[in-house]
Amino acid sequence: EEQLEESGGGLVQPGRSLRLSCAASGFTFDDYAMNWVRQVPGKGLEWVSGISWNSGNKGYAETVKGRFTISRDNAAKSLSLQMSSVRPEDTALYYCTKGRGGGDRLRDWNSDLWGRGTLVIVSS
Amino acid sequence: QSALTQPRSVSGSPGQSVTISCTGTSSDVGDYNSVSWYQHFPGKAPKLIIYAVSDRPSGVPDRFSGSKSGNTASLAISGLQAEDEADYYCFSYAGSYTFVFGTGTKVTVL
Repeated sequence: EEQLEESGGGLVQPGRSLRLSCAASGFTFDDYAMNWVRQVPGKGLEWVSGISWNSGNKGYAETVKGRFTISRDNAAKSLSLQMSSVRPEDTALYYCTKGRGGGDRLRDWNSDLWGRGTLVIVSS
Repeated sequence: QSALTQPRSVSGSPGQSVTISCTGTSSDVGDYNSVSWYQHFPGKAPKLIIYAVSDRPSGVPDRFSGSKSGNTASLAISGLQAEDEADYYCFSYAGSYTFVFGTGTKVTVL
């Protein structure tokens, strides 16, 4: 069974750093692009960042560009999001998602598998 | 890279058709044939129902259809059913490996 499990969320003070991780299982991890998507409870979805199968292509939402860094370890079947200089507006449930392909085609970046999410709360 | 604009809510009676619009700009929706739609039940993982403007993943009923004109994409649901009551989000490529979701639309079946 294909699964994604996020971890690393919690309470963090503004300006500090936090690292989210996502463990993948049940599929060939290095065949697929991966994304981070966040949602403030009760609000809409926001795409945060994405990375192609071989880390050759990465993208960031303007709201996090320069502060967040996405990375992956294909050998460990793991996706990460390093969050720096966090702000209260980064408070959200962060989902790890699997793309439909490696990232060579735009359709590859659509998500067909989602984790349950990890909650990040930025507050002093 | 602002969120794409969707109506907050649409509603229809069972059997009717509803259409959800998704308005972007010439830098996202208007520039690429890479608009997708997700169906989201609260507490569940979003489900991809349309990709590449009008293609359906296997298993998605043909009651769901997508289209695009200029900077606006649309999702049509025909033969509305009670089980279609959910939140719907559009999703578009915005260049340089960045993507953007719409603001979300709640579909209510009367």
